[in-house]
Amino acid sequence: AQTVTQSQPEMSVQEAETVTLSCTYDTSESDYYLFWYKQPPSRQMILVIRQEAYKQQNATENRFSVNFQKAAKSFSLKISDSQLGDAAMYFCAYCYYGGATNKLIFGTGTLLAVQP
Amino acid sequence: KAGVTQTPRYLIKTRGQQVTLSCSPISGHRSVSWYQQTPGQGLQFLFEYFSETQRNKGNFPGRFSGRQFSNSRSEMNVSTLELGDSALYLCASSFGGTGGRTEAFFGQGTRLTVV
Repeated sequence: AQTVTQSQPEMSVQEAETVTLSCTYDTSESDYYLFWYKQPPSRQMILVIRQEAYKQQNATENRFSVNFQKAAKSFSLKISDSQLGDAAMYFCAYCYYGGATNKLIFGTGTLLAVQP
Repeated sequence: KAGVTQTPRYLIKTRGQQVTLSCSPISGHRSVSWYQQTPGQGLQFLFEYFSETQRNKGNFPGRFSGRQFSNSRSEMNVSTLELGDSALYLCASSFGGTGGRTEAFFGQGTRLTVV
């Protein structure tokens, strides 16, 4: 069974600094998607960034980038120039590419605090 | 373009009762998934519907059921409520592809409290 692990329950970063959130996963599949979702206090999950496992190049979305290490099954999120609005719970998620479903498997989340 | 709408936002029910939650996906989206979020178990997949058919189901007891209508709106029902069913229930809609190919958009959730 596929699993997603986030070993950092809480992280803190100073405004304008850089922070990296960790995620590891376990799967026997070779084709899958990995995601980082943000859940602010409003509770609505928002997609931050997505990575296709067959793509070597790490995904980037403005201040957000990932370090995808397929062999190590590691998928970390780097937030550059942190802003107060980045404070939220961040979830790493996995979706098997070859399944006839959009089922997401989530990690337990990392609560990010941004200090002014 | 309207987002995913979940109703009601908050709900308080008594043990043993049943409850129905509603999810209206983004217009044109045909896939709707439901997740349960609790502090202890985190985010867990309940089920997914596509074109009125359930195409995947998580490991939840039969008290949890769902359906999807021809306009893609979905409902989930929990019968014989237990205290442990207290949770945030999230709905996600996507255009229809599988395997994460199309982005899933989430609603703001329904907070269910069972007393």
